Amino acid sequence: EAQVTQNPRYLITVTGKKLTVTCSQNMNHEYMSWYRQDPGLGLRQIYYSMNVEVTDKGDVPEGYKVSRKEKRNFPLILESPSPNQTSLYFCASSLIGNYEQYFGPGTRLTVT
Amino acid sequence: GQQLNQSPQSMFIQEGEDVSMNCTSSSIFNTWLWYKQDPGEGPVLLIALYKAGELTSNGRLTAQFGITRKDSFLNISASIPSDVGIYFCAGLTLKLDSNYQLIWGAGTKLIIKP
Repeated sequence: EAQVTQNPRYLITVTGKKLTVTCSQNMNHEYMSWYRQDPGLGLRQIYYSMNVEVTDKGDVPEGYKVSRKEKRNFPLILESPSPNQTSLYFCASSLIGNYEQYFGPGTRLTVT
Repeated sequence: GQQLNQSPQSMFIQEGEDVSMNCTSSSIFNTWLWYKQDPGEGPVLLIALYKAGELTSNGRLTAQFGITRKDSFLNISASIPSDVGIYFCAGLTLKLDSNYQLIWGAGTKLIIKP
């Protein structure tokens, strides 16, 4: 089944404790992206990647890092999480030139 | 930066009613996309619009790409309980090097009154 998977689905952590949210897709998509969703703000792009070893900042990259060492995986790293990073995070992927993004199920992160 | 105004923010409707929501922007977009998000899940694409003036249907859903390229609407006819969720519009602008940017509306939450 074609899908985007994220892990963990839920995470509660404390300020400053490094964490990684994994994202994997099995559709051989070149384009992958991370969004955060906050009430009343819709989806805001954090980082995106056009292909392996090619990443770029989205609209809200501060406090986040990403890497794209393999085509299928695009982990999101929070080196020192802060409470304002409490949010619902989505990973998405698509083929280059096809704008129809497929989303993962989301990761709800709470930073206390 | 670019912004999308999506309205209404939420809708309370009776089962069987028609629903209409829209997105407007001061910027021009090359493509409009409409997504639906069910509770606890990621957004799923409903309709994609690629040309100004285009009117596209997907079952009971109909969406249009505004002639000015600055707006789009989504209509749902004869709503049913499974239509509940959050609907997002997204406008796409092309950037250099085959890149593109999606600008998202804040969402319209659809609630069906029992």
